[in-house]
Amino acid sequence: NAGVMQNPRHLVRRRGQEARLRCSPMKGHSHVYWYRQLPEEGLKFMVYLQKENIIDESGMPKERFSAEFPKEGPSILRIQQVVRGDSAAYFCASSPDTGSRDSNTIYFGEGSWLTVV
Amino acid sequence: LAKTTQPISMDSYEGQEVNITCSHNNIATNDYITWYQQFPSQGPRFIIQGYKTKVTNEVASLFIPADRKSSTLSLPRVSLSDTAVYYCLLDRGSTLGRLYFGRGTQLTVWP
Repeated sequence: NAGVMQNPRHLVRRRGQEARLRCSPMKGHSHVYWYRQLPEEGLKFMVYLQKENIIDESGMPKERFSAEFPKEGPSILRIQQVVRGDSAAYFCASSPDTGSRDSNTIYFGEGSWLTVV
Repeated sequence: LAKTTQPISMDSYEGQEVNITCSHNNIATNDYITWYQQFPSQGPRFIIQGYKTKVTNEVASLFIPADRKSSTLSLPRVSLSDTAVYYCLLDRGSTLGRLYFGRGTQLTVWP
């Protein structure tokens, strides 16, 4: 888990507010992935980004959720008008540019816990 | 993505060997079998990956029979700190980073 930085670790939002979660990938990694983990469930893939591009957003809810990975700065997962069902742990992962076949090149961060009250 | 089936929970005692079996009847030719470990309030951590036969590293061993429809993660001499959720996944190179996590196996190690 070392190297992928996520913040905030914990975030509390009231219903209707916006939540912004940030992820800085490991140094030298330009591939970023966001996952969501609901209580008592496994992680669910949301979106895969490279610098300035969304590669696969097949796991993203159609509304209120968006993600970006700008040329400079961290990747951001944005949730607008949060609802109680958005309460979950959001994990970011990154992988290196070389596209190594080994799955152990995918490194997860410590996660951001969103609580909607 | 092909799904896997593994026990929801297992219990063991310190010092014992733990074997967690995973079924993946619909595994594809280019799928690699991968195991992750997750502690509470932390992100998943890669443990081991294999394609066939046996793979061993400093943490665990992975046994894969010839038909590849199942695999067994073996943890030697577990300790209390091995209490975690263990996920068995199929990793296809073309879907790098987009992994399917089931509910995993909650391993509890008792003193």
